[in-house]
Amino acid sequence: KQEVTQIPAALSVPEGENLVLNCSFTDSAIYNLQWFRQDPGKGLTSLLLIQSSQREQTSGRLNASLDKSSGRSTLYIAASQPGDSATYLCAVKGNTPLVFGKGTRLSVIA
Amino acid sequence: GAGVSQTPSNKVTEKGKYVELRCDPISGHTALYWYRQSLGQGPEFLIYFQGTGAADDSGLPNDRFFAVRPEGSVSTLKIQRTERGDSAVYLCASSLTSGGADEQFFGPGTRLTVL
Repeated sequence: KQEVTQIPAALSVPEGENLVLNCSFTDSAIYNLQWFRQDPGKGLTSLLLIQSSQREQTSGRLNASLDKSSGRSTLYIAASQPGDSATYLCAVKGNTPLVFGKGTRLSVIA
Repeated sequence: GAGVSQTPSNKVTEKGKYVELRCDPISGHTALYWYRQSLGQGPEFLIYFQGTGAADDSGLPNDRFFAVRPEGSVSTLKIQRTERGDSAVYLCASSLTSGGADEQFFGPGTRLTVL
């Protein structure tokens, strides 16, 4: 059974810092991995999707990497801003629908 | 519509009542998914449809939960004899197909509170 773990559970950083969020998964037989953002009381916003054949994806200040063989992904956020404060969720898709981690709650302090 | 929509956005009900939650997927998307997110947790899969049929309902917690998608578009998640433990945010997503590589797009969710 696929399990997804996100570390750390919560993170607080000063504005302007670069930061890395980690995601690990137990079954490397995946089609893709997605990173989502969730604001309090809101739904999920897809940030980046990495297909299993890809190593990384970039969108603006965000960069996500995927190492399928080791079951790891990282989300790198450059020059963090208070508006980046949210919960970030990692999810993998194998032969079942998406399996999510519990998320990392990020606070960026001005 | 432009994205996945869900109604109602909030639902408060009493223990033992019946509720229906609705999901309108992106037009043309054949696959539709239901997830449930409890406080402080990631979403957990409930059921998904390919077209009108439920392709995988292994995530439904018990027989009080049922979902339909009669015309292959709108879906309704039905919960009978609600319990306080059913309180959660119910998320719907759709994708072009159920193919492994297809991206899922999520709606804003319905927050269900069972008193």
